[in-house]
Amino acid sequence: DAGVTQSPTHLIKTRGQQVTLRCSPKSGHDTVSWYQQALGQGPQFIFQYYEEEERQRGNFPDRFSGHQFPNYSSELNVNALLLGDSALYLCASSFPTGGVTAEAFFGQGTRLTVV
Amino acid sequence: AQKITQTQPGMFVQEKEAVTLDCTYDTSDQSYGLFWYKQPSSGEMIFLIYQGSYDEQNATEGRYSLNFQKARKSANLVISASQLGDSAMYFCAMREESSNTGKLIFGQGTTLQVKP
Repeated sequence: DAGVTQSPTHLIKTRGQQVTLRCSPKSGHDTVSWYQQALGQGPQFIFQYYEEEERQRGNFPDRFSGHQFPNYSSELNVNALLLGDSALYLCASSFPTGGVTAEAFFGQGTRLTVV
Repeated sequence: AQKITQTQPGMFVQEKEAVTLDCTYDTSDQSYGLFWYKQPSSGEMIFLIYQGSYDEQNATEGRYSLNFQKARKSANLVISASQLGDSAMYFCAMREESSNTGKLIFGQGTTLQVKP
């Protein structure tokens, strides 16, 4: 049973460029959440996708956008990259109706460096 | 205000000893869940243990137990018989029922180093 997979694992981009990160959820999961984890910090919620729509967004600018495909996989797009966007980007999948008990399964993350 | 507070940036423990990692939380929800995750240097978040706000007994999973004190709003993780492989970053997280997405709110983390 494949867990959550993310690609690429590492990425180096230049300030001002655009980047796309990809996530495939755990088999059977249809909800994907994205988190940004700056070095030495806890992950911060970016947004969540369910039924191909964004359900909730954290405190992130519109430069951060996403998409969910019919097969439940998801992309995170960041435009006009800033140095401060350098972070580990984590994808988590879960069931949408699990309530407070629902366990979120995380991928290994994409480490983005903006130079 | 911080919703999840982990006051120990770094902790050391001798191999085979027990260690407690502190976590306090703040919420006005009656129903919520508290989670602990382990993050090795590879980056992946590994689920360790869960405690629901209505659970009367403290959760246990193998060498991990959660010391849940609801009145004090604390959910400390206890690792018994520490192993070298336990060296990692540990995060406390909360999910509130009022969040329709079930997003997780994380603390700043505690780095644990197990000494041989």
